[in-house]
Amino acid sequence: ELKVEQNPLFLSMQEGKNYTIYCNYSTTSDRLYWYRQDPGKSLESLFVLLSNGAVKQEGRLMASLDTKARLSTLHITAAVHDLSATYFCAVPNSGYALNFGKGTSLLVTP
Amino acid sequence: EAGVAQSPRYKIIEKRQSVAFWCNPISGHATLYWYQQILGQGPKLLIQFQNNGVVDDSQLPKDRFSAERLKGVDSTLKIQPAKLEDSAVYLCASSQIGRQFYYFGPGTRLTVT
Repeated sequence: ELKVEQNPLFLSMQEGKNYTIYCNYSTTSDRLYWYRQDPGKSLESLFVLLSNGAVKQEGRLMASLDTKARLSTLHITAAVHDLSATYFCAVPNSGYALNFGKGTSLLVTP
Repeated sequence: EAGVAQSPRYKIIEKRQSVAFWCNPISGHATLYWYQQILGQGPKLLIQFQNNGVVDDSQLPKDRFSAERLKGVDSTLKIQPAKLEDSAVYLCASSQIGRQFYYFGPGTRLTVT
């Protein structure tokens, strides 16, 4: 059974600081997805990582994928309040349905 | 292109009542997914369709939940009878076969009292 684990589950960080969210998964996959969810909203696609060593950046967020280690990271650079949200990673199962982690709730404070 | 449509957006019912949710995927998307997201948790797959056939319903509580996708387009998810623990957001998503992108609808927030 595919398991997807994120840590930390809760993160409070000051504006301007850097931090990394980790996503581990239990079975082989060469794809991984990152989503953002604001309270009361649906999922917003952030990154689609499609191969080992893939790195994608958008603004203050950068995601990477190491398929051999079954690990993805979401790095936050110089956090701002607008980044406060819940972040999910997801991995496709053998039937291509996404399995999600529990999410990382991020709060950026002044 | 139009996104994944869901209705209703919000629903409040009493326990033991029935409820149905509707999803219209992006045109041409053969695969449709229903997810349940309980507050504070990640989305959990309930059922996956490819065209009008079920690919995976292993996590669907079949004693009370049912879903259908007639004609391989729209889908309906039903709960009968509802329990308090069914309070959640129900997300519908769609994708094309063999493609890497998934598109999520706005969700239906269900409150069971």
